[in-house]
Order: sequence, then structure tokens, then C-alpha cells
Amino acid sequence: AQSVTQLDSHVSVSEGTPVLLRCNYSSSYSPSLFWYVQHPNKGLQLLLKYTSAATLVKGINGFEAEFKKSETSFHLTKPSAHMSDAAEYFCVVSSSEGGFQKLVFGTGTRLLVSP
Amino acid sequence: EAQVTQNPRYLITVTGKKLTVTCSQNMNHEYMSWYRQDPGLGLRQIYYSMNVEVTDKGDVPEGYKVSRKEKRNFPLILESPSPNQTSLYFCASSLRDGRGRETQYFGPGTRLLVL
Repeated sequence: AQSVTQLDSHVSVSEGTPVLLRCNYSSSYSPSLFWYVQHPNKGLQLLLKYTSAATLVKGINGFEAEFKKSETSFHLTKPSAHMSDAAEYFCVVSSSEGGFQKLVFGTGTRLLVSP
Repeated sequence: EAQVTQNPRYLITVTGKKLTVTCSQNMNHEYMSWYRQDPGLGLRQIYYSMNVEVTDKGDVPEGYKVSRKEKRNFPLILESPSPNQTSLYFCASSLRDGRGRETQYFGPGTRLLVL
């Protein structure tokens, strides 16, 4: 069975400093991994995805994530936080079960960015 | 514009009064899903559909029904809503790439309050 653990429920950074949102996964299969962002009162937007190509994945808005199989991790990073990055971030693992993709969401990490 | 739409976006109802939340996608995706989002729990899958007339239960299907009579539409039906179904609901549709990997695209969400 697949599972995802987001290690921090809240992360606070100052504008201009690096962002690190941690995610560990468990999967019996070769997983696909995603990061989604949800701004207040908005839907979910895909930030980036890993699908067994390059282990360092670049996404939108300057975010990137590195797939580390040995550590079963897929941490999300950004070199310099912007106020507009304040949102909730979800790490997601997927697998194909019965021919259909099943997504398992982490519980989310709320990123707070202070001036 | 490629998108997933949901209606209504906000709904307040009373216990036992049947309701339907519609979901429509214009991307000709075969796969569609419904999720609910609750604080501290992330997103949990309610039902999914692999294609027209093919649906199956997700992780939390109790109290919900779905139908898939057309490829573009995947309505969520609450026959007799209860207060524990107060939640934020997301519809998603999936595109499978040449390697069988999928990326899910989410609707804007429907916030439901059951009194």
C-alpha cells in the first residue's frame, strides 16, 4: 500500500530565505510523485511531478523536488521564498492499481511567509 | 480553456435533503475522481471512474453515489446528507501519458455545509 508522510504541518520562513518542505513516501511499486499547492479558498494546482525520469524535477514558480529512492523522500525546495508562496502544499504518491491511478495525499504542510 | 468545473461552488443544506454536485471536464479524459478534503486529513478519494459506465469505490465511499453516463460528466450524489459530510469536495480528471503515468487535474472545489 502507498502512503505519504509530510513531516511538518507548518513551516515558517522569511521572505527571501530558502524553503524546504519535507515528504517521505512508502510504495510497493515504482511510484509517481507529485506536489500540489492550494492557495486560500482556491483549488489544487500541480507544482511538479516525478515519473521515473530525472530525479531532480523542476516545477512552476521556482520550486523543485528531488526524488531520493534510498531515502524514500521527495522534498520540495525553493531557493528564495516569496510572499505569494504562502499556501498549503500536498505531497502525493500514486500507483496504478487495477489499471487506474490511485492517489494518496499527505496531510499537507502550511507554508507561512513573513516579510 | 482546458478545465474541470464544479457546481455549485458553495452549498448549505439540511440533513436528509438529497443533493448533487456536478463535475465536468473538457479535456476528453477517461479517468475521473471525487475527493473530500478535511482538516488534518488531506484529500481522500470517494469514488473514481475509469470510463463511461465504469465506476468504483475509493477510500471513503459511504454515503455517496456517482454515475458516469457521459465521458465529460461525473456527478457526485448525496442521497441523504449528514453533518459528517460537511467538507470541501474536489473533482479531478486524469490524463495518462504514453508510459501509463497519469496526472490529475482538479476542479476548483465545492464547499458543502450540512446542518
